[in-house]
Amino acid sequence: AQKVTQAQTEISVVEKEDVTLDCVYETRDTTYYLFWYKQPPSGELVFLIRRNSFDEQNEISGRYSWNFQKSTSSFNFTITASQVVDSAVYFCALPGAASKLTFGTGTRLQVML
Amino acid sequence: EAGVAQSPRYKIIEKRQSVAFWCNPISGHATLYWYQQILGQGPKLLIQFQNNGVVDDSQLPKDRFSAERLKGVDSTLKIQPAKLEDSAVYLCASSPTRGDYGYTFGSGTRLTVV
Repeated sequence: AQKVTQAQTEISVVEKEDVTLDCVYETRDTTYYLFWYKQPPSGELVFLIRRNSFDEQNEISGRYSWNFQKSTSSFNFTITASQVVDSAVYFCALPGAASKLTFGTGTRLQVML
Repeated sequence: EAGVAQSPRYKIIEKRQSVAFWCNPISGHATLYWYQQILGQGPKLLIQFQNNGVVDDSQLPKDRFSAERLKGVDSTLKIQPAKLEDSAVYLCASSPTRGDYGYTFGSGTRLTVV
């Protein structure tokens, strides 16, 4: 069975600080994707990134960066120079059969002025 | 491109009452999903449609929940009778094809059962 663990329940930072959200996953699949979603107070789940297990090259996109390490089954997400608008719940997700997504329990990020 | 539309936005009902949620996916998206998100948890898949056929409903409590997607476009999720533990956000999502991971989620319907 697939499993996604986000051990951090809630993180509070001051604006402009960097913050890393942790995600550890379990899967028996040899190839797979991993996702990060953002859920602002409005409730909609906003897609942030999809990574293929074949591609362990880390990536930076604007203020966002990702650290994917297959050896430790981790897929961590970093926001650089956080802003108040980054306040949301962030979910890591792992798709399984027929695209069914298994989500972690989420990490609530609070960015304060 | 218009997003995934859901209504109502909020609903409060008493236990044992019935309720229905509506979802209109992005035009042309063949696959539609209903997820249940209980407070403090990640979303959990209830049912997945490919066009108007059910692909996966293994997590749907069929004694009280039902869903349909007539004509392969919009969809309705019904709960009858509702229980207190059904209080959650019900999220609808769509994607162009089965196996395509480009999900787009709606804003959800927040259900409170009292």
